[in-house]
Amino acid sequence: EAGVAQSPRYKIIEKRQSVAFWCNPISGHATLYWYQQILGQGPKLLIQFQNNGVVDDSQLPKDRFSAERLKGVDSTLKIQPAKLEDSAVYLCASSLGFLTDTQYFGPGTRLTVL
Amino acid sequence: AQSVTQLDSHVSVSEGTPVLLRCNYSSSYSPSLFWYVQHPNKGLQLLLKYTSAATLVKGINGFEAEFKKSETSFHLTKPSAHMSDAAEYFCVVSDPLGDDKIIFGKGTRLHILP
Repeated sequence: EAGVAQSPRYKIIEKRQSVAFWCNPISGHATLYWYQQILGQGPKLLIQFQNNGVVDDSQLPKDRFSAERLKGVDSTLKIQPAKLEDSAVYLCASSLGFLTDTQYFGPGTRLTVL
Repeated sequence: AQSVTQLDSHVSVSEGTPVLLRCNYSSSYSPSLFWYVQHPNKGLQLLLKYTSAATLVKGINGFEAEFKKSETSFHLTKPSAHMSDAAEYFCVVSDPLGDDKIIFGKGTRLHILP
């Protein structure tokens, strides 16, 4: 079974630029999560999709971050414009169902904002 | 709102000795609790989870955790540490009825001494 795929693996941009991350979850998984993991901290949930609908985006900085999940499969997370404090690893995870189900994580995208 | 506290940021044990990683949580309702492990340069992987069934939960690689409601704890243990256990461990609380539905702890770095 293929795992969660993410791209790119690394990205370096200057502040005020835009960036987008892509995630392909495990086939058949209804729930998709985006996390931000700042160095030395635990992952923080940014947004959670159930199929193509948003379940929770309470911690997503909506003035600069946006995410979509087209057709309930792939998802993209965008930052526009980026700030220095956005430097982090962005993790995508998927699960069959809702909050009690095991989440399967992708390798992450390491973003550096200069 | 729920929260999770990992009481130690670093734990060092000798190979072959017991491991104890401590986690306390707070939740207004009936939470699900998880332990995830993150090996260097690898994705997060589920070790074990508690979802209101048996309070003693067994996971992969010989780890187990006990849910103690009276102490609001979910400590992770292993009888005998192996070098391959060196990693970052995250305690996670998930509460569908809480304000912050999924919360990761800050992590505990486990060091194994030869």
